[in-house]
Amino acid sequence: GIQVEQSPPDLILQEGANSTLRCNFSDSVNNLQWFHQNPWGQLINLFYIPSGTKQNGRLSATTVATERYSLLYISSSQTTDSGVYFCAVSNKAGKSTFGDGTTLTVKP
Amino acid sequence: DTAVSQTPKYLVTQMGNDKSIKCEQNLGHDTMYWYKQDSKKFLKIMFSYNNKELIINETVPNRFSPKSPDKAHLNLHINSLELGDSAVYFCASSQDRSWDEQFFGPGTRLTVL
Repeated sequence: GIQVEQSPPDLILQEGANSTLRCNFSDSVNNLQWFHQNPWGQLINLFYIPSGTKQNGRLSATTVATERYSLLYISSSQTTDSGVYFCAVSNKAGKSTFGDGTTLTVKP
Repeated sequence: DTAVSQTPKYLVTQMGNDKSIKCEQNLGHDTMYWYKQDSKKFLKIMFSYNNKELIINETVPNRFSPKSPDKAHLNLHINSLELGDSAVYFCASSQDRSWDEQFFGPGTRLTVL
């Protein structure tokens, strides 16, 4: 199956800092999504981004499908951004694979 | 107005018992999923159903039996619960079977004692 590698595994930021999270995948994918799991365990859709660039407020994401990676940018981070960020991909058969996540801690 | 809902939110039970977790989506989606998130936060797909038909079954023990009475519901029944079944179980749905954008339920935290 497709391997998904996220980096870094852990990230500690001061409030207001910017950061880039990376997701590498080992094969062609049909779809890619970024999720945020907040400290209460809820999984929240951030971006559905099989290719291209999208922006939503302080967050943006870019997927370069031909080079098999996606980046999630967080600007002016806030304490509420803390949690685990997951990248998930799926192949044409519909089988999805999640990365191991990046745990982000934003300190006030 | 919740898009994907699960019940119960917490489930504590003894080894050997049988339990069910229910999931409902009101998004009109055709495809529903069950995921397991272990204590290390790793998320793995267990099952996927499209219009009540099983399309993905990821080497899950046959003690786990999903049931889809209609395309808006996908319930998970677990027989003879074991300690290793303790985890958070998430239900999700998407518009179609090729894994369109997925929407997740709030999760059910299962603890087996």
